Amino acid sequence: NAGVTQTPKFRILKIGQSMTLQCTQDMNHNYMYWYRQDPGMGLKLIYYSVGAGITDKGEVPNGYNVSRSTTEDFPLRLELAAPSQTSVYFCASSYVRDGRQYFGPGTRLTVT
Amino acid sequence: EDKVVQSPLSLVVHEGDTVTLNCSYEVTNFRSLLWYKQEKKAPTFLFMLTSSGIEKKSGRLSSILDKKELFSILNITATQTGDSAIYLCAVEALYGNNRLAFGKGNQVVVIP
Repeated sequence: NAGVTQTPKFRILKIGQSMTLQCTQDMNHNYMYWYRQDPGMGLKLIYYSVGAGITDKGEVPNGYNVSRSTTEDFPLRLELAAPSQTSVYFCASSYVRDGRQYFGPGTRLTVT
Repeated sequence: EDKVVQSPLSLVVHEGDTVTLNCSYEVTNFRSLLWYKQEKKAPTFLFMLTSSGIEKKSGRLSSILDKKELFSILNITATQTGDSAIYLCAVEALYGNNRLAFGKGNQVVVIP
């Protein structure tokens, strides 16, 4: 049981490039989330999903897109990367009606 | 908008000291408050609190919630260098699809 996995672990992008951060969970959780964490700022919710085919915006969605075609996968797409998107990105998942979220190991992204 | 304020944001203690971390919150239709520990990687779950006055305990860590005064305390006794981490507090609202609003974290450094 791998839990929540994320790829890649690290990435450097040039301004204007695009990329997809991958997230997969094998716990059959319905709910999945994407956060970004900037130094000293806690975690900010970007997007979340309550099941396959259903996604919604979080606190800081601008510049990102998501899709949820299966229960297991919840990729995060960055279009036209900007330096403000330099951050550590965490994916998480949870059971319905259980607030505990289980986090992946994170992706450290630098945009230069 | 849900609000979580943690204090102190940063502290340095010596091994063996006791640490008390504070988390105050404002949330509409409170459901639960969660504490996570974050070392140089993904946050890991510590406690979920839903009822006032009931202490949750795990080894040298304990936590309690006051729903009247809207705060929680996380205590760490007999601190060890392995307790060095960021401690994140988050709140969950009813009907919120398990979304969590995080505070900025309490950074604890334990020196030998």
